[in-house]
Amino acid sequence: EAGVTQFPSHSVIEKGQTVTLRCDPISGHDNLYWYRRVMGKEIKFLLHFVKESKQDESGMPNNRFLAERTGGTYSTLKVQPAELEDSGVYFCASSQGLNNEQFFGPGTRLTVL
Amino acid sequence: EDQVTQSPEALRLQEGESSSLNCSYTVSGLRGLFWYRQDPGKGPEFLFTLYSAGEEKEKERLKATLTKKESFLHITAPKPEDSATYLCAVHFYGGATNKLIFGTGTLLAVQP
Repeated sequence: EAGVTQFPSHSVIEKGQTVTLRCDPISGHDNLYWYRRVMGKEIKFLLHFVKESKQDESGMPNNRFLAERTGGTYSTLKVQPAELEDSGVYFCASSQGLNNEQFFGPGTRLTVL
Repeated sequence: EDQVTQSPEALRLQEGESSSLNCSYTVSGLRGLFWYRQDPGKGPEFLFTLYSAGEEKEKERLKATLTKKESFLHITAPKPEDSATYLCAVHFYGGATNKLIFGTGTLLAVQP
């Protein structure tokens, strides 16, 4: 069974540009999560989808971040315009049910110059 | 404030030298506590879930235990391949949220 996949693995952009990250969850997992780890800090929650609906987006830093999950399958996280403080590793995770373990993807390392 | 604290930040062991990692938490209503392993450049890899005080789970050289305020990850006779960052995360009852709150991790290095 394929795990959670993320694309790209690395992205280097300049301040003010736009970047879109993609996550493909484990097949059949209705719950999809985005997390972020900035340098030296713990992994922090960004938002949670149940199928195509946003269940909790309390961790989204500001309105420069837009997450979508059209059709309840893969998800995208767009940062527009990117700022220096957006640099970090963005992880996607998925789970079958609300109380089940969350399985993580390899992450996308975003560097904003 | 809901918080997860892991100690030590880093731990260096000789191969075969057993030890324990600590995860203490202050959350109102624990739904579950998760242990993950993370290798450099990779995402967290799920190890264990613990749901109630007194529960224990084992996998090879690892054993996780849970009390009302903390969890321990015991490593028995570690090998160099056990070197990684070990992350603790808690899942708690809090309205509609299903997020995990992570600690900063313990970086474990096992020397041959």
